[in-house]
Amino acid sequence: SYELTQPPSVSVSPGQTARITCSGEALPKKYAFWYQQKSGQAPVLVISEDNKRPSGIPERFSGSSSGTVATLTISGAQVDDEADYYCYSADSAGTYWVFGGGTRLTVL
Amino acid sequence: EVQLLESGGGLVQPGGSLRLSCEGTGFTLINFAMTWVRQAPGKGLEWVASITGTGHGTYYSDSVKGRFTISRDNSRNTLYLQMTSLRPEDTAVYYCARGVTTVTMFIDYWGRGTLVPVSS
Repeated sequence: SYELTQPPSVSVSPGQTARITCSGEALPKKYAFWYQQKSGQAPVLVISEDNKRPSGIPERFSGSSSGTVATLTISGAQVDDEADYYCYSADSAGTYWVFGGGTRLTVL
Repeated sequence: EVQLLESGGGLVQPGGSLRLSCEGTGFTLINFAMTWVRQAPGKGLEWVASITGTGHGTYYSDSVKGRFTISRDNSRNTLYLQMTSLRPEDTAVYYCARGVTTVTMFIDYWGRGTLVPVSS
């Protein structure tokens, strides 16, 4: 199997920058995708292929990847950004897929 | 508009079986890999199984391998998950999700999920 590791929680004040990391051995070879999940809702894609922002996602969301760590950055976080965030990727063979454990972002 | 609609969830006893379905609309299913993801109450997302666009490639998590079978009927634009030998720890909301290409399991769209409680 394969694992992706995220911090359980991140907390920032409104307007500050929130950074959520995701570490995995295969990330130098595989993209990371990031999903936002608000309470009681299905996940929503916020970053694809390490750093691409889908249509409709605010510009304050960005992504990067270096070595074995991918990072989701929310610049100028808003109260509406409070949610659980998950990274998602595959092992080096591309046959076993995993989500990180999730990070709860608190903005207050 | 891409939409995914899961069905087939419901209470099942330990050791029982259940088949989930997911109908896709707004796109042509054969052009995309598909994945099932589950979320136990109060827990994180867990990848369950994936299938390529043609159905020739299937992949399973260690926790369901040998008990669950993913399949698809592209003529009906429908994805399936046959679940057998169900355990209480399989209790979760099961989401159907679309891949970004025919062979890539990275997900761009999600259904709303269907709840499967496993309990006696």
